[in-house]
Amino acid sequence: QVQLQESGPGLVKPSQTLSLTCTVSGGSISSGYYYWTWLRQPAGKGLEWIGRVYTSGSTNYNPSLKSRVTISVDTSKNHFSLKLSSVTAADTAVYYCARSSFRWFDPWGQGTLVTVSS
Amino acid sequence: DIQMTQSPSSLSASVGDRVTITCQASQDIGNYLNWYQQKPGKAPKLLIYDASNLETGVPSRFSGSGSGTDFTFTISSLQPEDIATYYCQQYDNLPWTFGQGTRVEIK
Repeated sequence: QVQLQESGPGLVKPSQTLSLTCTVSGGSISSGYYYWTWLRQPAGKGLEWIGRVYTSGSTNYNPSLKSRVTISVDTSKNHFSLKLSSVTAADTAVYYCARSSFRWFDPWGQGTLVTVSS
Repeated sequence: DIQMTQSPSSLSASVGDRVTITCQASQDIGNYLNWYQQKPGKAPKLLIYDASNLETGVPSRFSGSGSGTDFTFTISSLQPEDIATYYCQQYDNLPWTFGQGTRVEIK
């Protein structure tokens, strides 16, 4: 079955750009009608949807983050990526990638902790 | 954004108890609601979709109901492996949003 795995730096300095990649295995990122999604969860807090990309490259972003977020897909590498610019301590969180249909998120990656600190 | 309000924020119950969590949407979302289970240190797992449909492989002690703005999630007989935080999530409008979570513990 399809599995997702996040990768990227665990520590980012304030004002810099957070960059993460989600690698999809067990299936092609281009097959089916799915969005490829990023979410995050600050320690001890709830879940926040960051945005999503379709395999055509079309995107939707959370308005609260839209000015700082870019999500892209590389079908040749079977992965998709997140860039979040001008980060602050408030962006410290576990970042998850997930596949989403038009209705739910499933499956999810295991998550990766990104800490924003100098 | 559609606000999702869960209650209670935490609960403690005995093994075998019936557990109920509610989720209220700030506007009518029809049945566009899912429930997830998140165990400590793990990613959320889809349990219920479209408000009342059990995901394949999920034990039948889990159930969901409701439509419009008011939804209920029930564990009919709490088991030790059900210790987790449970989240509702709406997909009626972007941005898709989650409730703040309900932490379930064993008494």
